[in-house]
Amino acid sequence: DVVLTQTPPTLSATIGQSVSISCRSSQSLLDSDGDTYLNWLLQRPGQSPQLLIYSVSNLESGVPNRFSGSGSETDFTLKISGVEAEDLGVYYCMQATHAPLTFGSGTKLEIK
Amino acid sequence: EVQLVETGGGLVQPGRSLKLSCVASGFTFNNYWMSWTRQAPGKGLEWVASITNSGGSTYYPDSVKGRFTISRDNAQNTLYLQMNSLRSEDTATYYCTRGNNYDYWGQGVMVTVSS
Repeated sequence: DVVLTQTPPTLSATIGQSVSISCRSSQSLLDSDGDTYLNWLLQRPGQSPQLLIYSVSNLESGVPNRFSGSGSETDFTLKISGVEAEDLGVYYCMQATHAPLTFGSGTKLEIK
Repeated sequence: EVQLVETGGGLVQPGRSLKLSCVASGFTFNNYWMSWTRQAPGKGLEWVASITNSGGSTYYPDSVKGRFTISRDNAQNTLYLQMNSLRSEDTATYYCTRGNNYDYWGQGVMVTVSS
């Protein structure tokens, strides 16, 4: 199974600060169809996860553009440019290139 | 508005069965693959099962293969998860999710397996 390693496990940020979360894959996530099926999700406290970014860098509809994704093959990054209070929660990367679909262990973002 | 509403959770003894349902609305249900994902208390996310648009193909991780069955009724816009031979490690919140991008999630339903 593909292992997704997220770092850091916990992140503390002030409002307005920019932060990045890393997701490293044990295998290349480039699919034979040319796409890379690496998504980012946010789970706010007490809520269901929500999709932020799909296919590495595509912003899901309705998601603020302070969120951005980048990377390729095995190394991926989620960046929040100017953290807001509503951004607290746990961020997960997930891959759907290889079966079984797998998730990273999560990065908890705390607001100072 | 897209909505996914799960029902059917509860407390069940080890070895027993439970069937979850997810009613979908706000989109053309039979255009999408659907999946179940679970989250044990205080833990991360684990994919449980997926089914194609037509229901003709299903997929499972080894952890539930042979015990869980995903199905769908496209006429009723409903997704199901039949869970047999339940174990304590199946205790989790179960989410219904849409499509290959997991772009919509239900509110989740809690399943507790305990004697």
